[in-house]
Amino acid sequence: GAGVSQSPRYKVAKRGQDVALRCDPISGHVSLFWYQQALGQGPEFLTYFQNEAQLDKSGLPSDRFFAERPEGSVSTLKIQRTQQEDSAVYLCASSLVLAEAFFGQGTRLTVV
Amino acid sequence: DQQVKQNSPSLSVQEGRISILNCDYTNSMFDYFLWYKKYPAEGPTFLISISSIKDKNEDGRFTVFLNKSAKHLSLHIVPSQPGDSAVYFCAASEETSGSRLTFGEGTQLTVNP
Repeated sequence: GAGVSQSPRYKVAKRGQDVALRCDPISGHVSLFWYQQALGQGPEFLTYFQNEAQLDKSGLPSDRFFAERPEGSVSTLKIQRTQQEDSAVYLCASSLVLAEAFFGQGTRLTVV
Repeated sequence: DQQVKQNSPSLSVQEGRISILNCDYTNSMFDYFLWYKKYPAEGPTFLISISSIKDKNEDGRFTVFLNKSAKHLSLHIVPSQPGDSAVYFCAASEETSGSRLTFGEGTQLTVNP
C-alpha cells in the first residue's frame, strides 16, 4: 500500500489480557517508530527501529511492553497483562533515515 | 518535563484571515522542527518542517518561523480555510536520535466560514 497501515483499528481488551498491534510501514522505509497518544495529549515516543535493529526502547513504559521487527519490515507491538492506564491510541510511523515520519491511522486500545 | 509546549489548546479564526500557532521548546539539542496536522480518527499528517540552520520555511499558504535564541517557533497559515480546521502538533528532534520526535500537546484550530 501507499501509506503506513495499522491493524486492528480498534481493540477492546479485558484487564490482564495480552494484545498485539501490527504495523506495515511504507515499503523501503528504514526507520520505524511506535508512539502512544493519550486522550488530549501529543504522541509520546515508545521505541525506534532501524531495519530490524531496535535502537531505542527508552520510551516503553514497563517491561509489559515489547516490540519487534524481525525482518526489517512489519512490526508488532505487544502489551502483556494489559491495565487500564494502557488505554490510548498507538501510532506507528515510518521514514527514510533523517526525514519526516509518515504516520498510520493508529490503533485505539481500550482496556476494560 | 515537557520539552515541547504549545500553550494554546485552541484557536478560532475567521476564514481568509491569518492563523498563527505557537510552540516553545526547552531542549537546546533540538535541531529539526516539524508541524503535523491531525484530523479526528486519523494519524498525524506531515505539514512543513524547518532545520535549525534556517529561520523561515515557506510552502504555499504555510510558513514556519524559527527563533533559536528564544527557543520558539510558529506556524502561519494565510489565508486560513475551513478545511484547515484540525489539531496541529509541533514536534522536534535531534538529528543524532534518528528522527525520534518529541511532540507538543497540540492546538485545535477552528476556521469559521
